[in-house]
Amino acid sequence: EDQVTQSPEALRLQEGESSSLNCSYTVSGLRGLFWYRQDPGKGPEFLFTLYSAGEEKEKERLKATLTKKESFLHITAPKPEDSATYLCAVSKGGSEKLVFGKGTKLTVNP
Amino acid sequence: NAGVTQTPKFRILKIGQSMTLQCAQDMNHNYMYWYRQDPGMGLKLIYYSVGAGITDKGEVPNGYNVSRSTTEYFPLRLELAAPSQTSVYFCASRTTSVGGTGELFFGEGSRLTVL
Repeated sequence: EDQVTQSPEALRLQEGESSSLNCSYTVSGLRGLFWYRQDPGKGPEFLFTLYSAGEEKEKERLKATLTKKESFLHITAPKPEDSATYLCAVSKGGSEKLVFGKGTKLTVNP
Repeated sequence: NAGVTQTPKFRILKIGQSMTLQCAQDMNHNYMYWYRQDPGMGLKLIYYSVGAGITDKGEVPNGYNVSRSTTEYFPLRLELAAPSQTSVYFCASRTTSVGGTGELFFGEGSRLTVL
């Protein structure tokens, strides 16, 4: 069964304290891995797509990386406005379904 | 450019009632989706559509129906509401490009409670 596991479930950081979120996956025929950000009471907002092991994408203080079994979302010198739940999802060939993880709730304290 | 618009934002239903969640997008996207998000769980795909007149079941379609008569609208119908359908429902859309498979644009959600 296709599965996406995110860890930790919750992470509390001080402003400026860098860290990483993990997304491990088991899926046959991976087509892509996606990161989303979700603010309370809002819909998920797309951040990154990763297609192959070794690929990296960056956006402001966020960098996403991909290996054959997991992806990391690195947050460098976070600010309070980075507080949100970060969702990881995977897609496989021949399917329109995205398999989502449960998310990591990030809180950045000033 | 409003993106994906969902109505209503909140609704309380009694067991056995029916209702329709509305979804509209103004980006001319062919692909549209309905997901539900339960507390502490990942989003689950209910139904999706690859274009006007074409719909297909997702992972958790039981108790729901959809239609897609135009590119812009993709309503989700709940028949005979049950407490298990208490959830937050998200409509999403994407472009047809191959690379855009997981690059979904989501609405702000419709929070449904069935009592």
